[in-house]
Amino acid sequence: KNEVEQSPQNLTAQEGEFITINCSYSVGISALHWLQQHPGGGIVSLFMLSSGKKKHGRLIATINIQEKHSSLHITASHPRDSAVYICAVKYDYGGSQGNLIFGKGTKLSVKP
Amino acid sequence: NAGVTQTPKFRVLKTGQSMTLLCAQDMNHEYMYWYRQDPGMGLRLIHYSVGEGTTAKGEVPDGYNVSRLKKQNFLLGLESAAPSQTSVYFCASRLAGGDKNIQYFGAGTRLSVL
Repeated sequence: KNEVEQSPQNLTAQEGEFITINCSYSVGISALHWLQQHPGGGIVSLFMLSSGKKKHGRLIATINIQEKHSSLHITASHPRDSAVYICAVKYDYGGSQGNLIFGKGTKLSVKP
Repeated sequence: NAGVTQTPKFRVLKTGQSMTLLCAQDMNHEYMYWYRQDPGMGLRLIHYSVGEGTTAKGEVPDGYNVSRLKKQNFLLGLESAAPSQTSVYFCASRLAGGDKNIQYFGAGTRLSVL
């Protein structure tokens, strides 16, 4: 079964800290997504990437295709970054219909 | 711009009752999805649709039916609700093809089956 593993499951940080969340997957993919689920439940897409690195504000996402690994970094963390961060992959095989497989999420809490 | 709208937001059912969850999107997206989210688990795909009039099973389709009679709407039905279907349900949609496959999510429906 194709799986997506995230670590850590829970993360508590102090405001201003540099944060890293990791995602690993088992077979070849065509794209990897990072999503954010707010405490109220809404889910928004942060990044979609298939190689290299993307940056948006204080968020940076990287992917290493050979190692089947991606990281989401948050610089100068703030309490408003507190959320669940979800990694999802689009596996690259026929019949997958481009459907996403989701990790269990990393719950981040940033303390003031 | 409403995006993806789910109704209702909350619902409590008794075992054996039926209900329909509605998902509506105003972005002219071809693909639509129904997921469930349970504690300690990732989002799991129930059913999906790649266009009007077409539906397909996802990872956990048992106990659910869907219909996509209009491009903008995707309905999820529970014919005879069971306590195991207590969950938060999310609908999502996206454009077809290429790099335009970012999914846009609704706010979720919290369902409790007693």
